[in-house]
Amino acid sequence: AQSVTQLGSHVSVSEGALVLLRCNYSSSVPPYLFWYVQYPNQGLQLLLKYTSAATLVKGINGFEAEFKKSETSFHLTKPSAHMSDAAEYFCAVKSYGQNFVFGPGTRLSVLP
Amino acid sequence: DVKVTQSSRYLVKRTGEKVFLECVQDMDHENMFWYRQDPGLGLRLIYFSYDVKMKEKGDIPEGYSVSREKKERFSLILESASTNQTSMYLCASRLGQANTGELFFGEGSRLTVL
Repeated sequence: AQSVTQLGSHVSVSEGALVLLRCNYSSSVPPYLFWYVQYPNQGLQLLLKYTSAATLVKGINGFEAEFKKSETSFHLTKPSAHMSDAAEYFCAVKSYGQNFVFGPGTRLSVLP
Repeated sequence: DVKVTQSSRYLVKRTGEKVFLECVQDMDHENMFWYRQDPGLGLRLIYFSYDVKMKEKGDIPEGYSVSREKKERFSLILESASTNQTSMYLCASRLGQANTGELFFGEGSRLTVL
């Protein structure tokens, strides 16, 4: 069965600092991996996805993520945090024939 | 842009009431999903549908049912609401054939059961 873990339910960074949100997955077959963002009282919006092409994936709002098969990881990064990045971030995995499995989420706070 | 519209953003219901949550998508997607979102638990799949008239149980279907009479519409029904069904409900749709296709979400319906 697939599963997703996100280390840290709450991450705080200063404005302008590096953002690093961690995601590890388990899957018995090659996965497709996704990062979603949820702003308060809204639905989820796709940030980026890995679909077995380039291992470094660039998304919207300056975010990127790197697929590392050996580490079963798909960590999300952004070089410089902005106040508008404060939100909840979800990592999700999908394998062929399976439904999406979401991690528990990481709430990102950006301090002025 | 794909738009997934959930009919009610906020609802307050009483224990035992029947509750309907409606979801409509405008991009002719085959697949539609209902998730429940609770703090620390992420999103949990309640029911999904791969086509009209079809429905499949997800991970937590107990206490819920669904209806998909038209391709664009997927309804979640709570036959007799209970306080432990207080939650955020998210509808999503997806183009069926592309395995790499992402889910498109609605804005969510926050249900409080008193």
